[in-house]
Amino acid sequence: AQSVAQPEDQVNVAEGNPLTVKCTYSVSGNPYLFWYVQYPNRGLQFLLKYITGDNLVKGSYGFEAEFNKSQTSFHLKKPSALVSDSALYFCAVRPPSGSARQLTFGSGTQLTVLP
Amino acid sequence: GAGVSQTPSNKVTEKGKYVELRCDPISGHTALYWYRQSLGQGPEFLIYFQGTGAADDSGLPNDRFFAVRPEGSVSTLKIQRTERGDSAVYLCASSSQGQGAEAFFGQGTRLTVV
Repeated sequence: AQSVAQPEDQVNVAEGNPLTVKCTYSVSGNPYLFWYVQYPNRGLQFLLKYITGDNLVKGSYGFEAEFNKSQTSFHLKKPSALVSDSALYFCAVRPPSGSARQLTFGSGTQLTVLP
Repeated sequence: GAGVSQTPSNKVTEKGKYVELRCDPISGHTALYWYRQSLGQGPEFLIYFQGTGAADDSGLPNDRFFAVRPEGSVSTLKIQRTERGDSAVYLCASSSQGQGAEAFFGQGTRLTVV
């Protein structure tokens, strides 16, 4: 069975500074990895995904994530944080094949960007 | 609309009552998912449909929970004899074919059992 760990419940960063939200995963084979963002009282919004190819993937709102197979990690990054980036971020994994299509989510990381 | 639509947005019901939650996926999406999210937690998988059939219902917590998708589009999640522990936000998502396709989520239905 697949699993995702987000080791930090809360990340605080000053506006303009780079941000990193950590994610590690466990799955058999090469995974499909996703990041979603959730604003208060809203559904989840897709940010980016890794399927195959370049380990650095770029997504919406200037976010990017780096896939590291040896460390089984998929950390979310942004070079310069904005106050409006403050939200709850979820990493998710889906196995590469088979009947299991559902995403397995981490517990989430609350990002707060301080002005 | 272009996105996943869920109704109602909020539902308050008494313990023991029956509720139905509706999901209208993005047109053309064959895959549909139901998740449950409790406060401060990540979404928890309930059931996955491919077309009209439930391809994986391993996340349904017990037999009080049931979901249908009779025409391969709209889906209804049904909860019988609701309990206070069922209170959560129920999220629906849809995606196109392909293991790498991202899922698009609706705004959710907040269910409160009193």
